[in-house]
Amino acid sequence: EVQLLESGGGLVQPGGSLRLSCAASGFTFSTYAMSWVRQAPGKGLEWVSAISGSGGSTYYADSVKGRFTISRDNSKNTLYLQMNNLRAEDTAVYYCAKAPAMTTVTSFDYWGQGTLVTVSS
Amino acid sequence: QSALTQPASVSGSPGQSITFSCTGTSSDVGSYNLVSWYQQHPGKAPKLMIYEGSKRPSGVSNRFSGSKSGNTASLTISGLQAEDEADYYCCSYAGSSTVVFGGGTKLTVL
Repeated sequence: EVQLLESGGGLVQPGGSLRLSCAASGFTFSTYAMSWVRQAPGKGLEWVSAISGSGGSTYYADSVKGRFTISRDNSKNTLYLQMNNLRAEDTAVYYCAKAPAMTTVTSFDYWGQGTLVTVSS
Repeated sequence: QSALTQPASVSGSPGQSITFSCTGTSSDVGSYNLVSWYQQHPGKAPKLMIYEGSKRPSGVSNRFSGSKSGNTASLTISGLQAEDEADYYCCSYAGSSTVVFGGGTKLTVL
């Protein structure tokens, strides 16, 4: 059974940093691309970032480019999102999501339960 | 990376068929047959219902179907049931391993 478990969310001040983690199990982690998708309170889904199965290719939404860094440790079956210079508009539930292919994210077949990030002073 | 356009809400009665629209551009929906649809119940994670425009993952009811015409994709639910009440999001591949979501449509089953 595929399982994705996010952690690392919490309250952070504007300009601060936070690192999210997503522990994966139930599939061969290194053979699938992964993504982070967020959802602001009461709002829709927004794709944030993606990484290929090998970790060699990374992609970002314009809204987070230069501030967020996606990475993965295939030996630990874990996906990460380093978030720097956080803004109030980054407040959201952050979901870890699995893509059905190794290199290209075209859809998301499994999702975690999400972790809440709140940016506020 | 502009969001795809979805109506804010739709409603239907049990047993009816209902169709959601999702309008993009020639850079996303119109260029690729890679639209996916997600169902999200309140407080829950999204669930994949349709991928690659019209394919259903294992375990998803055949009451759900997807299609596309030009820059607009559609999701149809036939034989509407109370448990279908949820938010529905479309998503399209937009090139260079990026995707874009729609704003979501809230389905109310009357």
